[in-house]
Amino acid sequence: NAGVTQTPKFQVLKTGQSMTLQCAQDMNHEYMSWYRQDPGMGLRLIHYSVGAGITDQGEVPNGYNVSRSTTEDFPLRLLSAAPSQTSVYFCASSPRQGTNEKLFFGSGTQLSVL
Amino acid sequence: AQSVSQHNHHVILSEAASLELGCNYSYGGTVNLFWYVQYPGQHLQLLLKYFSGDPLVKGIKGFEAEFIKSKFSFNLRKPSVQWSDTAEYFCAVNPFGNEKLTFGTGTRLTIIP
Repeated sequence: NAGVTQTPKFQVLKTGQSMTLQCAQDMNHEYMSWYRQDPGMGLRLIHYSVGAGITDQGEVPNGYNVSRSTTEDFPLRLLSAAPSQTSVYFCASSPRQGTNEKLFFGSGTQLSVL
Repeated sequence: AQSVSQHNHHVILSEAASLELGCNYSYGGTVNLFWYVQYPGQHLQLLLKYFSGDPLVKGIKGFEAEFIKSKFSFNLRKPSVQWSDTAEYFCAVNPFGNEKLTFGTGTRLTIIP
């Protein structure tokens, strides 16, 4: 059972480039989310989804887009990368957020924007 | 919107010392509370959670946390820490029925052998 799979693990971008961080889960979880982790700031919610076709903004959504066309996949798109987006990105899923469900995290993507 | 405060940014302890990490949240209604741990080089995993019932909850690896509603606190404790507890610890709150889980800024714990 793979759980939550994120690719790539590392990425270096130049300012202005675009890219997509991939996230897939094989647990049939309804809820998926993206966080960024920065030193001294903990984890901040970027976007989340409560099911296929439904997405919503988190705490720091600017500069990021998401879509949820299937239950399994929740890609995060950076349209025009900026140095401020240098961070470690985590995808997480749960059977259903809003109750007492725990999050299952991926192993993270370390992104550097030069 | 809810928020979470973890006032201890970096805690250094010797093995066998007792541990208490503070967590306070701001939200007036019913909440679900969590502690997650991130060991060096690994992704986050759940230590323990509270959603109702006994305010003293026990988690994995000997950790426990106490929910004190009047103080809006959910402090993490361990009677005797081990070197392997070196990690970063995150408190998180999720208002009941809300889809957003909010994390604190984390506490880095270093255990000296």
